[in-house]
Amino acid sequence: KAGVTQTPRYLIKTRGQQVTLSCSPISGHRSVSWYQQTPGQGLQFLFEYFSETQRNKGNFPGRFSGRQFSNSRSEMNVSTLELGDSALYLCASSRQGNEQFFGPGTRLTVL
Amino acid sequence: GEDVEQSLFLSVREGDSSVINCTYTDSSSTYLYWYKQEPGAGLQLLTYIFSNMDMKQDQRLTVLLNKKDKHLSLRIADTQTGDSAIYFCAETPEYGNKLVFGAGTILRVKS
Repeated sequence: KAGVTQTPRYLIKTRGQQVTLSCSPISGHRSVSWYQQTPGQGLQFLFEYFSETQRNKGNFPGRFSGRQFSNSRSEMNVSTLELGDSALYLCASSRQGNEQFFGPGTRLTVL
Repeated sequence: GEDVEQSLFLSVREGDSSVINCTYTDSSSTYLYWYKQEPGAGLQLLTYIFSNMDMKQDQRLTVLLNKKDKHLSLRIADTQTGDSAIYFCAETPEYGNKLVFGAGTILRVKS
């Protein structure tokens, strides 16, 4: 069974630009969550989508948004990029709840 | 509130047992998790324990949960150099799939 895939794996953007990251969950998983990992703040929850609806949201500004499609694939978007948005963005999928499986992440660098 | 604390660093010799400790604050957490992260990689789910259990064993891994003290530990028997990584403890507050992570414990295994 294929794992969680994320594209692209690496991304370099400049301040003020916007970026879209993609996540394909494990087949049959309907929940997709996004996390930001930085050396200073550690792993922080961004949001969770289940059956195309945002079910939970972390404490991030409105520049961070996401969506989920009918095939459970999810995208997250960050607008007006800031230097502090440089991070590893991780996506996790689960069937219902208890086991969440992570993808390899997208490394975003903002210059 | 939600807070998870871990010691930052542990060094052991190959073949010894490793014990990584974690304390959490949310008594309503239903599941508690251990994840492993190797350099440049995403998070690998190692094991998890339901909050009504005291212990769970899975091959070389033993998880102990003291719900009264809100203390979770991960014991790795016969630690190998391939176990060198960062280990994250995480809890799920009662609502949704949101994971709250500790800062991670760096495990260094010396041969």
